[in-house]
Amino acid sequence: DAGVIQSPRHEVTEMGQEVTLRCKPISGHDYLFWYRQTMMRGLELLIYFNNNVPIDDSGMPEDRFSAKMPNASFSTLKIQPSEPRDSAVYFCASSQQSFYGYTFGSGTRLTVV
Amino acid sequence: AQSVAQPEDQVNVAEGNPLTVKCTYSVSGNPYLFWYVQYPNRGLQFLLKYITGDNLVKGSYGFEAEFNKSQTSFHLKKPSALVSDSALYFCAVSGYNQGGKLIFGQGTELSVKP
Repeated sequence: DAGVIQSPRHEVTEMGQEVTLRCKPISGHDYLFWYRQTMMRGLELLIYFNNNVPIDDSGMPEDRFSAKMPNASFSTLKIQPSEPRDSAVYFCASSQQSFYGYTFGSGTRLTVV
Repeated sequence: AQSVAQPEDQVNVAEGNPLTVKCTYSVSGNPYLFWYVQYPNRGLQFLLKYITGDNLVKGSYGFEAEFNKSQTSFHLKKPSALVSDSALYFCAVSGYNQGGKLIFGQGTELSVKP
């Protein structure tokens, strides 16, 4: 099992550009979560999906952020347009059920200059 | 709403000494409790969990945690710390009716000195 796979590992972009982060969850996991980690705010849940359906997107900071899960093996988090304050590490995680715990990807370190 | 508090930003321990990383929680109903560890430039790794049953839970790398319902706590412990245990530790909570959502504490930086 390759685990949760995120790409790219690092992304540097200019303010105003569109950024797309990608995630492949573990096969058979019904839940997929997007988190953002910063020094100031710690780990923030942005959005999560159950069986490809968005369940709770209350953590998405602004309309500039959007997430999709077109099928059970792929999800994207898009920021358009990006701003310097979006700089953070973005983690994707997947799970079978809430009481199983999560498996995290290695994260995407986003820097917006 | 569910929440987690890790009251210490940093814990310093000498190698070979016991360590404790504290966590308290708030959730409606019975909690599902987790500890994760994060090494520099890595994702979070699962250490252990409490769902039901014995209040003392044993996990990876010799770590254990004790669930205390009356104090709503789930402290992480290890009898003898190693330098390689130095990392960032996160406590997390979910509940039966929380739709699979985990809420994480702010994290505690554990530093083990030789």
